[in-house]
Amino acid sequence: QFQLQESGPGLVKPSETLSLTCTVSGGSISSSSYSWGWVRQSPGKGLEWIGNIYYGGNTYYSPSFRSRVTISVDTSKKQFSLKLTSVTAADTAIYYCARRADYGGNSPLPIDYWGQGTQVIVSS
Amino acid sequence: QSVLTQPPSVSGAPGQRVTISCTGSSSNIGAGYDVHWYQQLPGTAPKLLIYGNNNRPSGVPDRFSGSKSGTSASLAITGLQAEDEADYYCQSYDSSLTESLFGGGTKVTVL
Repeated sequence: QFQLQESGPGLVKPSETLSLTCTVSGGSISSSSYSWGWVRQSPGKGLEWIGNIYYGGNTYYSPSFRSRVTISVDTSKKQFSLKLTSVTAADTAIYYCARRADYGGNSPLPIDYWGQGTQVIVSS
Repeated sequence: QSVLTQPPSVSGAPGQRVTISCTGSSSNIGAGYDVHWYQQLPGTAPKLLIYGNNNRPSGVPDRFSGSKSGTSASLAITGLQAEDEADYYCQSYDSSLTESLFGGGTKVTVL
């Protein structure tokens, strides 16, 4: 069955770069019907969309993160990744990787699969 | 304060009907962008409940339904069950902010 699994450090120091990887299993990562992205959840700010990478490599980032974020994909490994630079305590959150499905409707694309989430704490 | 406003909590007895509102504006729901709803059970990732305003993914009970009118959307749960205790989030797109947004979430309590 289709699954997404996040991996990466659970503790990052302030001012450093947060790096997470999401591994896709049970399905293809190379399809124009889907895009791949990241959402985070913190007690203070609820769910926040970070950005997506589309089939063909185009990326779209939330304006809130645009200056600090990079999302990339490695189709050979069936993985996509998140890099968030210059982190602060405000970046402490559960980070979810997600698949968005093109159902033929209007924006936004719904997230039909979520990873289980990984807790990242920013602290020295 | 979220751009998409949801009530913090709603409650109902087993078997009752509850509704959760998601109030937006002319730059998001009112502009015609679709609304999706997610259910998040305690300690788990969100799960897609309704997409495209009123469509249920396979496996979602028909007790859950969505609607949209003007600048608002609603999620209705009929025949409320104990297993429906969860947080519920709406999602849409805002053309002014140029980003996908989530509502602040609503906690449903089954009395």
